[in-house]
Amino acid sequence: AQRVTQPEKLLSVFKGAPVELKCNYSYSGSPELFWYVQYSRQRLQLLLRHISRESIKGFTADLNKGETSFHLKKPFAQEEDSAMYYCALRIKAAGNKLTFGGGTRVLVKP
Amino acid sequence: EAGVVQSPRYKIIEKKQPVAFWCNPISGHNTLYWYRQNLGQGPELLIRYENEEAVDDSQLPKDRFSAERLKGVDSTLKIQPAELGDSAVYLCASSLGGAGYGYTFGSGTRLTVV
Repeated sequence: AQRVTQPEKLLSVFKGAPVELKCNYSYSGSPELFWYVQYSRQRLQLLLRHISRESIKGFTADLNKGETSFHLKKPFAQEEDSAMYYCALRIKAAGNKLTFGGGTRVLVKP
Repeated sequence: EAGVVQSPRYKIIEKKQPVAFWCNPISGHNTLYWYRQNLGQGPELLIRYENEEAVDDSQLPKDRFSAERLKGVDSTLKIQPAELGDSAVYLCASSLGGAGYGYTFGSGTRLTVV
């Protein structure tokens, strides 16, 4: 069965410092990975997906199939990056079902 | 566009009482999902609809949960009777199906069972 693990429940960094959120997955098929973000009092929204290979709000994530990881990185954290971040694995064969990790809360201190 | 609309935003009920949640997906989105998010955890799929057909309800506790999507648009999720462990945020999401760009989530309904 597929599984997504986010080992850190909380990451606290100072403004301007780098931040890296870890995500590991287990899935026997070809994975499609996403990062979702939920800002305070807002709905869950898509941040980025691995197939686009894009940088959104300064965040990037690289799929490493050898290490089964999809870590999210930003070189210089901003206060507005404080939020909950969820890594998710999508399985097309299961109707695009998303399997989420437990989430990491990022707190960027001034 | 309003996005995925859910109501109510909050609901507090006593255990053993029934409760219902409503979701209006984005117009034209044929796929609708209900997820449950327990405190401190990521969302977990309860049921998926393709138009009006429930095509994946394997994670729905059918003894007390039911859902419907009449006419393939709005959907309701019902719990009867509610238990203390049902306290969670219930999220609705919709997508065009196929590859797409992922889901669009609603704001969720926070249920507290006391």
